[in-house]
Amino acid sequence: DQQVKQNSPSLSVQEGRISILNCDYTNSMFDYFLWYKKYPAEGPTFLISISSIKDKNEDGRFTVFLNKSAKHLSLHIVPSQPGDSAVYFCAPWGSQGNLIFGKGTKLSVKP
Amino acid sequence: EAQVTQNPRYLITVTGKKLTVTCSQNMNHEYMSWYRQDPGLGLRQIYYSMNVEVTDKGDVPEGYKVSRKEKRNFPLILESPSPNQTSLYFCASSRGPSNQPQHFGDGTRLSIL
Repeated sequence: DQQVKQNSPSLSVQEGRISILNCDYTNSMFDYFLWYKKYPAEGPTFLISISSIKDKNEDGRFTVFLNKSAKHLSLHIVPSQPGDSAVYFCAPWGSQGNLIFGKGTKLSVKP
Repeated sequence: EAQVTQNPRYLITVTGKKLTVTCSQNMNHEYMSWYRQDPGLGLRQIYYSMNVEVTDKGDVPEGYKVSRKEKRNFPLILESPSPNQTSLYFCASSRGPSNQPQHFGDGTRLSIL
């Protein structure tokens, strides 16, 4: 059973608008979450993280929100740029020292 | 430049022919791991290592071996590759085993015929 779900395989957004990528998880023991961005033919690149003691973390155009009671995270990108077009993965740290990846959401930002 | 380097980037080989994918990091990280990425399945962990001479199985270890004789290197060994090991492989490293970003290599695409 999937512990991390990114239910939107793809998302298309106009340049300058907000992109919202969602992630749901099942294990209430997860306490640290990361978002990665992946371009074709490259490895995942760390984007932003959040600890369960917070409900929001911001880094420039990127903000991650955590709703522990709903077991839900979202990544907001404002304003979206064409260079943001990539696959985005949500990944909490598991109890066995592994990152548990969602299946990813492919974001397309159109000029 | 801080990086994780994997070699080869691409390999086509045949069933049963032993192969090794090398991984090296220059950040003095203690924790290293291997993942495979398959369509529709995301990234899944194969093996990880907390430090030199300390390795453990991840979610999908069958058919793979690893070793950690030096801190910077963490090779992935396929003793007898089979077609179901055709995949995109990523090596990653971090300072520790939790609550830190992992840094990934650019991947190795293996095709086992």
